Amino acid sequence: KNEVEQSPQNLTAQEGEFITINCSYSVGISALHWLQQHPGGGIVSLFMLSSGKKKHGRLIATINIQEKHSSLHITASHPRDSAVYICAVVNTGNQFYFGTGTSLTVIP
Amino acid sequence: DAGITQSPRHKVTETGTPVTLRCHQTENHRYMYWYRQDPGHGLRLIHYSYGVKDTDKGEVSDGYSVSRSKTEDFLLTLESATSSQTSVYFCAISESIGALNNSPLHFGNGTRLTVT
Repeated sequence: KNEVEQSPQNLTAQEGEFITINCSYSVGISALHWLQQHPGGGIVSLFMLSSGKKKHGRLIATINIQEKHSSLHITASHPRDSAVYICAVVNTGNQFYFGTGTSLTVIP
Repeated sequence: DAGITQSPRHKVTETGTPVTLRCHQTENHRYMYWYRQDPGHGLRLIHYSYGVKDTDKGEVSDGYSVSRSKTEDFLLTLESATSSQTSVYFCAISESIGALNNSPLHFGNGTRLTVT
């Protein structure tokens, strides 16, 4: 069993739609990261959070520590948002665990 | 973007040959990591370093060794490459880690290694 589970695995949306990607984890954590991997392969850090909510442009990340759950929201989605989104957690032993990613395709 | 460079970007090698991948950073970050990425798996940690000459194993360390003789360089060596080591390898760096001072992970662009 993976320590980090993401859903859905694949997601197709029309341009402009509101998108939610979910991440559930089973270990105690000190932080949760959301990463974006573009088709070219590069991985970029989007957010790091340990409580509450963060917003950057059209992206919003929330975390509920009690429920061991985080969501990544994209408002007014655009084709350039097409990428794989990866959730990762840092456990209390400072180890990283990664989800297998959610592949998002936004159609014009 | 964080200054982190991986080399080579692509490598094709034969089974049984030694291979070394290099990760170079200009950020002076303490922590450096080597991950492999394979279909159906999340990023999996091979080895990591928490300082010069300080390294430790990750979950998939068999068949790999690392060295960090300078803050800026972290080398991953496959002593005798096998086909199961065909993968995309990512180096990552972070300034700090821990309950009070986690910092973001910054990734290199990856090295695609094919072992034939």
